[in-house]
Amino acid sequence: DTGVSQDPRHKITKRGQNVTFRCDPISEHNRLYWYRQTLGQGPEFLTYFQNEAQLEKSRLLSDRFSAERPKGSFSTLEIQRTEQGDSAMYLCASSSASGSSYNEQFFGPGTRLTVL
Amino acid sequence: AQSVTQLGSHVSVSEGALVLLRCNYSSSVPPYLFWYVQYPNQGLQLLLKYTSAATLVKGINGFEAEFKKSETSFHLTKPSAHMSDAAEYFCAVTQNRDDKIIFGKGTRLHILP
Repeated sequence: DTGVSQDPRHKITKRGQNVTFRCDPISEHNRLYWYRQTLGQGPEFLTYFQNEAQLEKSRLLSDRFSAERPKGSFSTLEIQRTEQGDSAMYLCASSSASGSSYNEQFFGPGTRLTVL
Repeated sequence: AQSVTQLGSHVSVSEGALVLLRCNYSSSVPPYLFWYVQYPNQGLQLLLKYTSAATLVKGINGFEAEFKKSETSFHLTKPSAHMSDAAEYFCAVTQNRDDKIIFGKGTRLHILP
């Protein structure tokens, strides 16, 4: 399967713990996006990378959140000192930003985080 | 700021009936518009997209949408609903071709036998 993959698919943690999620984009896609989807809402943008550079961060991304994309391949999203409000589905998407036409973002299956 | 508004968080139609999911957008410049579908426990899948070419856009699974600038709308339709169409549908917008996507809150489509 050559789609976007995310690991783990589910994570249950206790309030105050740190968690880290991983996203593997489609091979050679230079753009990688993170979104968060809470129950009953549409996905909300968190941040995105072009290669290894983090180009934009949403104000939703508090200081407890950090994202990296070393070497411009996979990406990690870490949440420190988790809170119950962090419970959500975390979605990753990738695209190949090139050419003059629209480049589709392909979404992974998501990581569902539950903070107890 | 760009945004989309989806009218109706839940829509129920009978199998074989017309599906109409409503979406209105707000954008200061001609946008890219999308409809995504999300089946239970699955990721988002692009149904169709408008990228300033033809205003009537055909997508997968028999869905289509029409871009109406005068009404700032991008409603999704399907002539005949199938049980397999039951899912959550998201309208979305972006102003730049490689920029972040802004999603609506979603409409859950229920298909009645």
